[in-house]
Amino acid sequence: NAGVTQTPKFQVLKTGQSMTLQCAQDMNHNSMYWYRQDPGMGLRLIYYSASEGTTDKGEVPNGYNVSRLNKREFSLRLESAAPSQTSVYFCASSEGTSLRNEQFFGPGTRLTVL
Amino acid sequence: AQSVTQPDIHITVSEGASLELRCNYSYGATPYLFWYVQSPGQGLQLLLKYFSGDTLVQGIKGFEAEFKRSQSSFNLRKPSVHWSDAAEYFCAVAPRGGGADGLTFGKGTHLIIQP
Repeated sequence: NAGVTQTPKFQVLKTGQSMTLQCAQDMNHNSMYWYRQDPGMGLRLIYYSASEGTTDKGEVPNGYNVSRLNKREFSLRLESAAPSQTSVYFCASSEGTSLRNEQFFGPGTRLTVL
Repeated sequence: AQSVTQPDIHITVSEGASLELRCNYSYGATPYLFWYVQSPGQGLQLLLKYFSGDTLVQGIKGFEAEFKRSQSSFNLRKPSVHWSDAAEYFCAVAPRGGGADGLTFGKGTHLIIQP
């Protein structure tokens, strides 16, 4: 099993450009998450999807949209990138909707917005 | 609002020495508690977790953590560190009985191992 995969690994955008970060898991997990990691800030939740067909805002959703395409895939879209969105983005998944379930993380996407 | 504090941004330890990383949380009820490790350029890996019961929790890679309700703490320990333990360590909490709305992370402690 590959676990949680993310594409791309690195991306450089200009201000105002759009892009979609892709995430897929092969563990048949119900819940999926998008976090961003900034120096000295830890990880902060952007959006999550408790189950296929549902999405909810996390702590820092502004400037982002998400799509739970199917049970495996959860994408994060930046419609008009801003320098403040320069960050490392992590996707995670967990088996169920309880936070007792371990979250498994992907390797991350390093995004720079110029 | 729940919060997690990791007071030490950086810690330097000699190889073979013992290690303790501190974590304090602020929450109305005892949350679920986690420690994650992030090696350079990698995603996060779960070291251990506490839900209830025995307050001393064993994890992977020789790590353990002790939950102390009176101090709202969940400190991570290892008796003897190895150079491969150099990484970023994150404490995280989740509301007991909550849904799938994600973890709240501390800002992390960067562990440096001296030879």
